[in-house]
Amino acid sequence: NAGVMQNPRHLVRRRGQEARLRCSPMKGHSHVYWYRQLPEEGLKFMVYLQKENIIDESGMPKERFSAEFPKEGPSILRIQQVVRGDSAAYFCASSIKSEQYFGPGTRLTVT
Amino acid sequence: AQTVTQSQPEMSVQEAETVTLSCTYDTSESDYYLFWYKQPPSRQMILVIRQEAYKQQNATENRFSVNFQKAAKSFSLKISDSQLGDAAMYFCATIGSGAGSYQLTFGKGTKLSVIP
Repeated sequence: NAGVMQNPRHLVRRRGQEARLRCSPMKGHSHVYWYRQLPEEGLKFMVYLQKENIIDESGMPKERFSAEFPKEGPSILRIQQVVRGDSAAYFCASSIKSEQYFGPGTRLTVT
Repeated sequence: AQTVTQSQPEMSVQEAETVTLSCTYDTSESDYYLFWYKQPPSRQMILVIRQEAYKQQNATENRFSVNFQKAAKSFSLKISDSQLGDAAMYFCATIGSGAGSYQLTFGKGTKLSVIP
């Protein structure tokens, strides 16, 4: 059973471009969570999704950030018009119940 | 609301010795879980150990054990017989155990160095 997969592992974008981060949950998991880790910080919750539904996006910035988890395919975290402050590691986790299993993360660098 | 505090930004330990990493937390949940995660340079978040708050017995996983003091809201991690591969960032985290609880709350981490 493959673990949580994220791609790309590293992403470089210029200011103003769009970033798309993908997450494939573990097989059978229908809950997906996105976390952001800024340098020298712990992970901070961004959004919780189930298939085709956003359950809680209270940790996500109101502008430029969006997330989806379609019926088919991976969950996508989309950042429009990236700025330098968006540079961070973005982690996806999935679960069936309470225990969350993390992917390897996507390191986003905005130049 | 939940908060997790790790008061030691950095720690070091001699190989084969024992080290304890501190964590205190606050939560409004009546029942909850506590975790220690390891993040090596690869950045993969690896679950080290998990404690259910309703259990009085401290969790252990091989060389890793916790000292869970519920009244004091303290959850320290002890690593015995430290190995070079233990060098990493260690994060303490908590989550409520109820149906509506899904946000893991993390501390800022402790960077552990292992000296050969």
